[in-house]
Amino acid sequence: SQQGEEDPQALSIQEGENATMNCSYKTSINNLQWYRQNSGRGLVHLILIRSNEREKHSGRLRVTLDTSKKSSSLLITASRAADTASYFCATSNNNDMRFGAGTRLTVKP
Amino acid sequence: EPEVTQTPSHQVTQMGQEVILRCVPISNHLYFYWYRQILGQKVEFLVSFYNNEISEKSEIFDDQFSVERPDGSNFTLKIRSTKLEDSAMYFCASSEWDREGEQYFGPGTRLTVT
Repeated sequence: SQQGEEDPQALSIQEGENATMNCSYKTSINNLQWYRQNSGRGLVHLILIRSNEREKHSGRLRVTLDTSKKSSSLLITASRAADTASYFCATSNNNDMRFGAGTRLTVKP
Repeated sequence: EPEVTQTPSHQVTQMGQEVILRCVPISNHLYFYWYRQILGQKVEFLVSFYNNEISEKSEIFDDQFSVERPDGSNFTLKIRSTKLEDSAMYFCASSEWDREGEQYFGPGTRLTVT
């Protein structure tokens, strides 16, 4: 299946610490995206990384992509309580975009 | 900042009834999507729509589902005869270019089938 699978399923850290979430997938992709979802709300796009890219940054976010391992990671540095949310990776090839089950991140103040 | 809007925010319906979920995508976007998320589960792709026709659909999107862009602004998802298992959050999304670009999601409609 193309769709990503995140790990861990849940992550709890203290404010100020870094949070790393991983995503693995099984088939070739054109790009991989990370989204954030606050409880009961819609998804917010965070960052898109194309298959020919290895790393992208956006503010406190750093995303890596290793196509040989079919994996990606999302690093949130200097976490804040407001970062508490679920984070999903979504993979795309020529067909459609598929989401993983998400990592539930809790940042304790 | 432009955003995707959805109405209603919550819809309660009886099993077997038809429901129409409405979305207003961002005005200059060309690609439109519906996703659903059953409580506590992953977001699932239903359908993508471009140039007034379905471009892709998932195995979930069976004959009970249909989509329409009745005018220049609205994008609707119709479920003809709802089942209990259709209870979920339904998210509309739109993108400017193609389905592999950044998608902007609406806040969702919570559908409860009783």
